[in-house]
Amino acid sequence: GAGVSQSPSNKVTEKGKDVELRCDPISGHTALYWYRQSLGQGLEFLIYFQGNSAPDKSGLPSDRFSAERTGGSVSTLTIQRTQQEDSAVYLCASSIGGGTGEQYFGPGTRLTVT
Amino acid sequence: DQQVKQNSPSLSVQEGRISILNCDYTNSMFDYFLWYKKYPAEGPTFLISISSIKDKNEDGRFTVFLNKSAKHLSLHIVPSQPGDSAVYFCAATQGGYQKVTFGIGTKLQVIP
Repeated sequence: GAGVSQSPSNKVTEKGKDVELRCDPISGHTALYWYRQSLGQGLEFLIYFQGNSAPDKSGLPSDRFSAERTGGSVSTLTIQRTQQEDSAVYLCASSIGGGTGEQYFGPGTRLTVT
Repeated sequence: DQQVKQNSPSLSVQEGRISILNCDYTNSMFDYFLWYKKYPAEGPTFLISISSIKDKNEDGRFTVFLNKSAKHLSLHIVPSQPGDSAVYFCAATQGGYQKVTFGIGTKLQVIP
């Protein structure tokens, strides 16, 4: 398909384990974002990649969270030593670039830490 | 510190009537505003946007109004349809920078 895809769609993990979430953006989109939505909360910005520029990591909640974007396309969000408060839906979005803010979202990965 | 606020967590409207969703912001540097719609188990989808140089933007049944002096925007849906039932997120950005700040969302229910 032509949209943003994310995998897995659901992930259940035990507290303390590491998880990797994957995002495939729309081909040609130079900007990629990660957000999370906890229960009853809005979309919380995590990290933003734009082309070859250094990513904006200002939203990452702790050093257990990291993300990379390889080859300007696929991105992986890694959460180390997961905690129960990490349980949320993690959303990835991409955009063409240009500053209008219109982003295309994937369906999200629902992470449950038990 | 919530820079984009949606103070109504939910709203119910009869089919055919007008839905008005409100959003307030605190950052005067925001100059571009967007509304996204989200269905359960799906990612948000872009709905409509407005630049701070305008006070109104219309797209079919959807109109967004911006009051810069009040730092307030609203989304009007006329007429409302059952398929409009979703969570609506207000969002804002500044100066062409693509980091977007989202509100908490308002859940709209359109009753047939």
